[in-house]
Amino acid sequence: DAKTTQPNSMESNEEEPVHLPCNHSTISGTDYIHWYRQLPSQGPEYVIHGLTSNVNNRMASLAIAEDRKSSTLILHRATLRDAAVYYCILRGNEKLTFGTGTRLTIIP
Amino acid sequence: DVKVTQSSRYLVKRTGEKVFLECVQDMDHENMFWYRQDPGLGLRLIYFSYDVKMKEKGDIPEGYSVSREKKERFSLILESASTNQTSMYLCASSIMGSLHSYEQYFGPGTRLTVT
Repeated sequence: DAKTTQPNSMESNEEEPVHLPCNHSTISGTDYIHWYRQLPSQGPEYVIHGLTSNVNNRMASLAIAEDRKSSTLILHRATLRDAAVYYCILRGNEKLTFGTGTRLTIIP
Repeated sequence: DVKVTQSSRYLVKRTGEKVFLECVQDMDHENMFWYRQDPGLGLRLIYFSYDVKMKEKGDIPEGYSVSREKKERFSLILESASTNQTSMYLCASSIMGSLHSYEQYFGPGTRLTVT
């Protein structure tokens, strides 16, 4: 499975945008980029996914580099409820392979 | 809303006991998964099932078995629990389909302690 690299932790101020980076230089042409997050004491939840084009949904935006070797999850206006561990995952089959993710702390 | 439920939030068992972890989903999903989560290691896939009575090994199946007799229920079995199986266990389900589209829905997890 192709590997992703994320910073261990990030901090952001409340009500400001947050950009969470992910490197995946060994991504294959058929891998989709998925993001999940895990709030404290909960199971992971799906955030967004994409292949080549940038994607938006009600939770976040996903910006994918033209060469697909990196991507960025964008939270447009972080709230305290966005404090979580964010996982960037490459998906080429039914399975998800989780790394250790980025722990996002929101500062009030 | 999709709901994935797990039989217990917390469980304490003794070494050598047989342990059953139950997972039920209410959305008629074909795929079901069992993961364990440990600090510093993230989530690791133990087993998954894409249909009733079908199963496939994940990345760390040793010491575990699974059972899927009904579509909505997927059980993880520790035949003889050991202390290194102390962990958070997470169940998930998803629609079977094209590779990219379908997200996995996770349960709240069961924190198992083996003493």
